[in-house]
Order: sequence, then structure tokens, then C-alpha cells
Amino acid sequence: AQSVAQPEDQVNVAEGNPLTVKCTYSVSGNPYLFWYVQYPNRGLQFLLKYITGDNLVKGSYGFEAEFNKSQTSFHLKKPSALVSDSALYFCAVRDISGNTPLVFGKGTRLSVIA
Amino acid sequence: DGGITQSPKYLFRKEGQNVTLSCEQNLNHDAMYWYRQDPGQGLRLIYYSQIVNDFQKGDIAEGYSVSREKKESFPLTVTSAQKNPTAFYLCASSIVAGAGTEAFFGQGTRLTVV
Repeated sequence: AQSVAQPEDQVNVAEGNPLTVKCTYSVSGNPYLFWYVQYPNRGLQFLLKYITGDNLVKGSYGFEAEFNKSQTSFHLKKPSALVSDSALYFCAVRDISGNTPLVFGKGTRLSVIA
Repeated sequence: DGGITQSPKYLFRKEGQNVTLSCEQNLNHDAMYWYRQDPGQGLRLIYYSQIVNDFQKGDIAEGYSVSREKKESFPLTVTSAQKNPTAFYLCASSIVAGAGTEAFFGQGTRLTVV
């Protein structure tokens, strides 16, 4: 069975500082990994994904994520946080050997303080 | 303008009533999904469909029903058997179920039992 853990319910960071939102995963084979962002009362917006190749993936709005197979992690990062980055962030996984929907973590609320 | 349209945005249900949430996509996607979002619980899969006239139960299908008569449409019915239906419901679609394709989300329907 596939699963995702986002160990932090809330992350607070000062504007201009780097931010990290953590994600670890569990799949039986190799993973496809995704990050989404959600603003209040809205749907999820796709940020980036890891399929294969370079472990550092760049996505929308200056976000990037690093795939680490040995640590089964896919942490989301941004070098300099903006107040407008404040939102709910979801990590998701799909096992490439299966024909299954995305499995999501419980989400991490990011608060960027001016 | 391509995308996924969910309606209505807000829905109120009386005890014992069935209600149907609409989801339409014009992205020509094969797969469609329904997720339920509750605070602190992330997204949980209700039903998904990979092709017209076929669908599979997700993790929390009890008290819900779906149909997939057209590629563009995947309505969700919340029946009176669903004991705690108050939640935010999200519809999504993707090119194919599985593979490295991300899912695209609608703006959600907030259902409240009154």
C-alpha cells in the first residue's frame, strides 16, 4: 500500500528566509511524487512532480523539491519565502507499477510572517 | 477555457436527503476522481473512474455513489446513508490513471448538513 507522511502540521517562517516543507513516502516499487498547494476554499494547484532523472525538481512560483531515495523523502523548498506563499501544502505519491490514483498526505500549513 | 468545473460551490443538505455534486471537465481526460477533505485529515479518495461506464471504490466509498455515462462528467451522489457528510469535496481528472501524470482539480463544493 502507498502512503505519505507530512510530519509537520504547521510551519512558520519569516519572509525572505528559506522554507522547507517535509514529506516522506512509502511505496512497494519506485514512486511518482507530487506537490500541490491549496488556498482557502479553493481546489489544489499542481506545483511540481518527480518522475525520473535529476533528483532536484523545479516547479512553479520558485518552488523546488529534492527526491532522496535512501531516505524516502521528497521535501519541498524555496530559497526565499513570500507572505503570499502562506497556504496549505500537500504531498502525494503514486507507485509507478500500479494504475492507481494519487495518495495524499494530511497537509502542512505554511505561514510566512512579514 | 479548459478546466474542471464543480457545482454548486456551496450546498446545504437536510438530514435524510440525497444530494448530487456535479463535476464536468473539458480537458479530454480519461480518469476522474472524487476526494473528500476534512480539516487535519488531508484528502481521502471516495471513487474514481478510468473509463466511461466503469468506476472503482476508493477508501471511503460507503454512503456515496457515482456514475460515468460521459467522458466529461462524473457526478457524485451523497446518500442519506452517509452519516457525516459535512465536508469539502474535490473533483479531479488526469490524462490516464497511473503513469507520471498529475491530476487537475476543480474548485470544490462545500457541503453542509443543516
